Amino acid sequence: EAQVTQNPRYLITVTGKKLTVTCSQNMNHEYMSWYRQDPGLGLRQIYYSMNVEVTDKGDVPEGYKVSRKEKRNFPLILESPSPNQTSLYFCATRQSSTDTQYFGPGTRLTVL
Amino acid sequence: AQSVTQLDSQVPVFEEAPVELRCNYSSSVSVYLFWYVQYPNQGLQLLLKYLSGSTLVKGINGFEAEFNKSQTSFHLRKPSVHISDTAEYFCAVSDPDSWGKLQFGAGTQVVVTP
Repeated sequence: EAQVTQNPRYLITVTGKKLTVTCSQNMNHEYMSWYRQDPGLGLRQIYYSMNVEVTDKGDVPEGYKVSRKEKRNFPLILESPSPNQTSLYFCATRQSSTDTQYFGPGTRLTVL
Repeated sequence: AQSVTQLDSQVPVFEEAPVELRCNYSSSVSVYLFWYVQYPNQGLQLLLKYLSGSTLVKGINGFEAEFNKSQTSFHLRKPSVHISDTAEYFCAVSDPDSWGKLQFGAGTQVVVTP
C-alpha cells in the first residue's frame, strides 16, 4: 500500500529541547516536502527536497532544518523549538507523472 | 507569486442539500488547481485536480469543480451532501514550473447537519 508515514503523531516538548519528526515514503517519489498547518492560514511550506541531497527553503523555513540522505526519508529537525512552532505538521510526496501530492497523517506538536 | 482565497471560512449545510465552496486565485502564470479534504484528525486527501483540458473536473465522493480562467476561480460543488462530508476543504494552486510547491487557501469548514 502506498504510504507516507510520520512519527511521532503527537509530541509535547519544552522550549529549546531539540527534536526530530521523521517522514518516510514507500512510493519512490523524488519530491518531498514539509508543511505546517495553522488555523486560518491553511498549510504553508517549510522546506522541500527535489531528490537525495537536494533541499531548499519554502515559505516559512526559520527555525527548521531538514536532510535528505536517502530517497525514502525526509526528517524535519527543530534544533531549538519555540512556542510559535506549536502547530500541525504534514509531510508530503509528489508523484511527478500525475502532479499529485500524497500527505502523511500529520504530527501535532506542542512546545511549552 | 500566487495566492489563494477561500471566500468562506465555514459553511453549514443540511444533509442532502447542495453545497458550493468558493475558491479564487491570483497568478501571473498558468497554474494547476487542486481541492483537498481533511477529515477530523486525518491528513489531506486529494478530491480532484485540474491540470489541463476540460474545465469541469469530477472527483471522488461525488464532488466536481469548474475552472474559470477569466474569473480565476475553481469552485467546488456537490449536489447532495452526506453527514460524512463534514470536513475541512482546502483549495490549492501550483505553478507547473515550481517543482510541486502547493499554495493553499485558508480552508473552508463544512458542517453537515441532519
